[in-house]
Amino acid sequence: AQKITQTQPGMFVQEKEAVTLDCTYDTSDPSYGLFWYKQPSSGEMIFLIYQGSYDQQNATEGRYSLNFQKARKSANLVISASQLGDSAMYFCAYTRGSARQLTFGSGTQLTVLP
Amino acid sequence: DAGVTQSPTHLIKTRGQQVTLRCSPKSGHDTVSWYQQALGQGPQFIFQYYEEEERQRGNFPDRFSGHQFPNYSSELNVNALLLGDSALYLCASSPLRGGTDTQYFGPGTRLTVL
Repeated sequence: AQKITQTQPGMFVQEKEAVTLDCTYDTSDPSYGLFWYKQPSSGEMIFLIYQGSYDQQNATEGRYSLNFQKARKSANLVISASQLGDSAMYFCAYTRGSARQLTFGSGTQLTVLP
Repeated sequence: DAGVTQSPTHLIKTRGQQVTLRCSPKSGHDTVSWYQQALGQGPQFIFQYYEEEERQRGNFPDRFSGHQFPNYSSELNVNALLLGDSALYLCASSPLRGGTDTQYFGPGTRLTVL
């Protein structure tokens, strides 16, 4: 079974600075997708960014970028210019091929300090 | 463009009772997945429906069942509730074909079993 590991239970960052949230995965599947979701205290999971295993370039979406290192099986999320509204739980998730079944990591609680 | 909606928002039940949770997918989506998120953990996949049939199932007992209607909306039923069923139940929708298989989540239903 695929395993997603997020080793940082909590992270702090100063407003306007960049922060990297770590995610590693364990799989032997050749085709897979990696996702990052944000979950504020309200509970809704908000999609941030996606990286496919065959994508040649790292994904970017506004202030979010994904540092994809396939050989190391890591897919770290980089948030640039942090804002107070970025304070939330962040989850890394994996899907195998077209299975459309997400396997989530344990999450990282990010707190942005003013 | 309406996003994923879920009802009710909160629910309190007692052990042994049965509960039904409801989900309407995002416009243009025909696949619905259900996840259970216990406090302090990442979501766990329960099952997925498209074309009104259960297509994939996670490691959940038969007490968890579901249904998908012709308009793509879905229900999650849980029988013989246990204290351990207390959790946030998230519904996610995605288009069956094309795209990045990104799943978009609703706000969740918080179930408390007393």
